Amino acid sequence: GAGVSQTPSNKVTEKGKYVELRCDPISGHTALYWYRQSLGQGPEFLIYFQGTGAADDSGLPNDRFFAVRPEGSVSTLKIQRTERGDSAVYLCASSPLGQGGAETQYFGPGTRLLVL
Amino acid sequence: SQQGEEDPQALSIQEGENATMNCSYKTSINNLQWYRQNSGRGLVHLILIRSNEREKHSGRLRVTLDTSKKSSSLLITASRAADTASYFCATDAETSGSRLTFGEGTQLTVNP
Repeated sequence: GAGVSQTPSNKVTEKGKYVELRCDPISGHTALYWYRQSLGQGPEFLIYFQGTGAADDSGLPNDRFFAVRPEGSVSTLKIQRTERGDSAVYLCASSPLGQGGAETQYFGPGTRLLVL
Repeated sequence: SQQGEEDPQALSIQEGENATMNCSYKTSINNLQWYRQNSGRGLVHLILIRSNEREKHSGRLRVTLDTSKKSSSLLITASRAADTASYFCATDAETSGSRLTFGEGTQLTVNP
């Protein structure tokens, strides 16, 4: 079956613009996670959905970042008024039951965001 | 903040040799996972070890966990050039719910 997909694979935008990043999880997976990875670093947690609701959004860096998962499948990460420091690879992952570290998280290929 | 710290940061070996990477963490955990990443894109899950386990094997991979020292190691035996990648440990702390906290990774290069 299909894995986690993310679109676009690359996004270049200008400082101050709004961007949306999309994640299609594995069909039937309850949990969906967003991470951000800067060059040379490990992924950093942003937000976790259990179904349609954000179960933990404590990793979002500020109120310019927002994510939704309205029907419990596809999720969109939205970044307003982008800043150069937002440049990173944004990774999405899904897992079957939302048991966190007790189950495998399946990662997408990521969206590489560059803010000029 | 990063819970895990891997060492070494970079490791270069010859094909056929064994590669050992270490991970240390700060808080009590429920589980520890190792992931592999090629070329800075998607991560691939390698192995999960629970806090009540001490050792786990999967093919050429061997993972150990020492909760008293808050550390884990990943051993890749008989390495191949295709094992060249970054390797990350990830923990879910008892107090952090379902989030995974990743270390900064070890860049492994296996020379043919």
